[in-house]
Amino acid sequence: GEDVEQSLFLSVREGDSSVINCTYTDSSSTYLYWYKQEPGAGLQLLTYIFSNMDMKQDQRLTVLLNKKDKHLSLRIADTQTGDSAIYFCAETPGGGYNKLIFGAGTRLAVHP
Amino acid sequence: DAGVTQSPTHLIKTRGQQVTLRCSPKSGHDTVSWYQQALGQGPQFIFQYYEEEERQRGNFPDRFSGHQFPNYSSELNVNALLLGDSALYLCASSWTGAGANVLTFGAGSRLTVL
Repeated sequence: GEDVEQSLFLSVREGDSSVINCTYTDSSSTYLYWYKQEPGAGLQLLTYIFSNMDMKQDQRLTVLLNKKDKHLSLRIADTQTGDSAIYFCAETPGGGYNKLIFGAGTRLAVHP
Repeated sequence: DAGVTQSPTHLIKTRGQQVTLRCSPKSGHDTVSWYQQALGQGPQFIFQYYEEEERQRGNFPDRFSGHQFPNYSSELNVNALLLGDSALYLCASSWTGAGANVLTFGAGSRLTVL
């Protein structure tokens, strides 16, 4: 089946690290993605990882992939108030060039 | 680069009416996908257009239809609107030649059905 699950809410203090978790069901997913949505805006691609990788780092962002457990995480180092947004995990089922399956999103709140 | 542009940004319709939403893809992109995002939910795939043909379709009724034009722009049409069609409709474009399905999203069209 095609399903992506995320925890709904995360609150962190400014300057701390944030870790957002996601589980997916399609073991044939070739790519997994993290998108960010700010209020009133569309989705912005943050990063993506190929399924044969277990880690990808891009500045303050670190993606970890555990393919055996079908678990994906996004770590944001030195979280800032501007990082407050909804973060969506997504997969491309069957590894095709077609649809993305999104989770319900994790709302990240950053407080001073 | 203007990115993905969608129109209108907001609209209000009544049940039973029909609506057309428009999307211009990012320059260099040839594929357009449409997603429905209900309040508090993640985007749900409606369909994808490539070379003016519907390439894949999600679990949406036939009331939802689309079109892609030779300049790659696209329209989403919804007939016989229901209250449950109220949502943010997102258009995303991509380039088929890319290795990953990297989508660029527009800001969306927010549809309210009364």
